[in-house]
Amino acid sequence: NAGVTQTPKFRVLKTGQSMTLLCAQDMNHEYMYWYRQDPGMGLRLIHYSVGEGTTAKGEVPDGYNVSRLKKQNFLLGLESAAPSQTSVYFCASSYRPTLSTDTQYFGPGTRLTVL
Amino acid sequence: KNQVEQSPQSLIILEGKNCTLQCNYTVSPFSNLRWYKQDTGRGPVSLTIMTFSENTKSNGRYTATLDADTKQSSLHITASQLSDSASYICVVSAHSPGSARQLTFGSGTQLTVLP
Repeated sequence: NAGVTQTPKFRVLKTGQSMTLLCAQDMNHEYMYWYRQDPGMGLRLIHYSVGEGTTAKGEVPDGYNVSRLKKQNFLLGLESAAPSQTSVYFCASSYRPTLSTDTQYFGPGTRLTVL
Repeated sequence: KNQVEQSPQSLIILEGKNCTLQCNYTVSPFSNLRWYKQDTGRGPVSLTIMTFSENTKSNGRYTATLDADTKQSSLHITASQLSDSASYICVVSAHSPGSARQLTFGSGTQLTVLP
């Protein structure tokens, strides 16, 4: 099993450009998440999905859109990139959370730079 | 606002030595607490998870403790190895019935183990 994979690993954009980050998981997880990680800060939740066809906003959703057309894939879109979106983006997935079994499995991350 | 604070921010130790990392949280209502290990350039990997009723959990050379009364947790690493060099992240989960589970991430302790 590959676990959680992310495409691409690195990307440089100019302000105003758009792009889509792809996350795929082969663990049949119901829940999927997109986070961003900035220096000196904890991971912050952008959007998440509790199942195919569903999405919900997290802590920092502005400037991002997501789609979950297939259970195994979760896409993160930036319609008009801004320098403030320079960050490392992590995708994660999990089974339906319970009290002690909501461990999230993370992908390797995508390093995005917006000039 | 839910918060997770970790100390120290960074720590350097010699191979073979023990160390303890601290996590203080103000998260309500508390559901569980996890410690993740994040190697440079990789996604976080779960080490331990503890619920309200658990006050210690081990995973090999890693032992986590939880004091739910004082809202503190620690991660003790025994007989450190070079491969322990990583960022260790404390994550606290809050869950109210009928609402989505909320995770609050600490900013991590960067541990460097020197030969």
